[in-house]
Amino acid sequence: SQKIEQNSEALNIQEGKTATLTCNYTNYSPAYLQWYRQDPGRGPVFLLLIRENEKEKRKERLKVTFDTTLKQSLFHITASQPADSATYLCALDSSGGSYIPTFGRGTSLIVHP
Amino acid sequence: NAGVMQNPRHLVRRRGQEARLRCSPMKGHSHVYWYRQLPEEGLKFMVYLQKENIIDESGMPKERFSAEFPKEGPSILRIQQVVRGDSAAYFCASSPPDRSYEQYFGPGTRLTVT
Repeated sequence: SQKIEQNSEALNIQEGKTATLTCNYTNYSPAYLQWYRQDPGRGPVFLLLIRENEKEKRKERLKVTFDTTLKQSLFHITASQPADSATYLCALDSSGGSYIPTFGRGTSLIVHP
Repeated sequence: NAGVMQNPRHLVRRRGQEARLRCSPMKGHSHVYWYRQLPEEGLKFMVYLQKENIIDESGMPKERFSAEFPKEGPSILRIQQVVRGDSAAYFCASSPPDRSYEQYFGPGTRLTVT
């Protein structure tokens, strides 16, 4: 069956360090993968999209990699700040062309000052 | 440019009552998606609509749940005869017609069934 796995344990890091979050998937052949940020009591906010033919994408302090052989995406936040503390969700399109994403459960990131 | 709006933000219903959740997409967006999020679970897709059309309702329970997106006015997610298990956060997202993968979420409606 199709599965998206994100680490359920919170990631605690010190301010200024690089945070790395992992998204693994099985039994998908996604055309794209997305990362969202969700704060408590709020809706997810779209951060980055990476397509299957792209290895890496950057946006300011964010970097996403996409390895379709390993079936894994890594999400990096460099020079992390306490304001980056949130839950980060990865999402894959679940069926070709219809753009209906399937979300992982998310990983909580806590950046300590 | 206002974002996606949802109301009410909080809704309390007794078992057996009806719940109506409203979503106004961003200006220029013609695609609307509804998701449900249970505590400690991921967002689950429910239904995808375009104006006056249901495109995909594969995630919607077969009974008691319905959705519409009329030509004028907001999209409505309707839950009839609510049960305790319907308690969740319901999120709406909208996307522009040419970039359906770019979804913008509303703040959600938290439904509590007592």
